[in-house]
Amino acid sequence: SQTIHQWPATLVQPVGSPLSLECTVEGTSNPNLYWYRQAAGRGLQLLFYSVGIGQISSEVPQNLSASRPQDRQFILSSKKLLLSDSGFYLCAWNGLAGFEQYFGPGTRLTVT
Amino acid sequence: AQTVTQSQPEMSVQEAETVTLSCTYDTSENNYYLFWYKQPPSRQMILVIRQEAYKQQNATENRFSVNFQKAAKSFSLKISDSQLGDTAMYFCAFMRAGTASKLTFGTGTRLQVTL
Repeated sequence: SQTIHQWPATLVQPVGSPLSLECTVEGTSNPNLYWYRQAAGRGLQLLFYSVGIGQISSEVPQNLSASRPQDRQFILSSKKLLLSDSGFYLCAWNGLAGFEQYFGPGTRLTVT
Repeated sequence: AQTVTQSQPEMSVQEAETVTLSCTYDTSENNYYLFWYKQPPSRQMILVIRQEAYKQQNATENRFSVNFQKAAKSFSLKISDSQLGDTAMYFCAFMRAGTASKLTFGTGTRLQVTL
């Protein structure tokens, strides 16, 4: 079966510090991978998606970047965090059928 | 660009009753998918049900069913025999076919199931 992992689960970081969030998928190969952000009390906003190793598409210009160093690994990064980067970050993959999305447990990021 | 609108920020239903959550969308596409996701207090996003736009038959998954009206661009979710565990945020989402499966979400409806 397929499983998607995210870590850390919770993170508190000061303004100006770097960020690295990791997402991995087990039990499949060559998945499409996605990073979403959910601000408090709001819907999900797509940040980045990747259809393969080294292939990153950005949906919203911002302080964040993404990388896909391995087939089933997707990383969200920032060199210097802003207060506005606080939120709940969710990673997803496109499922075996290719047109659904299944989400990881998420990372709650608080920038202080 | 596609937009998804959920006009009910909050709803409440008694246990064992039926509730319907509304969703409308705007698109010029003909081939697409629609989804309902549930987000309980744990904040894990759980896929509840999906509908392919080319299918006229409404999707059903146990107590969950949809009313898909393609011409009206409406996609409502009906929850029958509501249970306390159905308490969650519910998000409607749209996906164009063949575009790296990117989802566009509505703003959500908070459903509270009461005794």
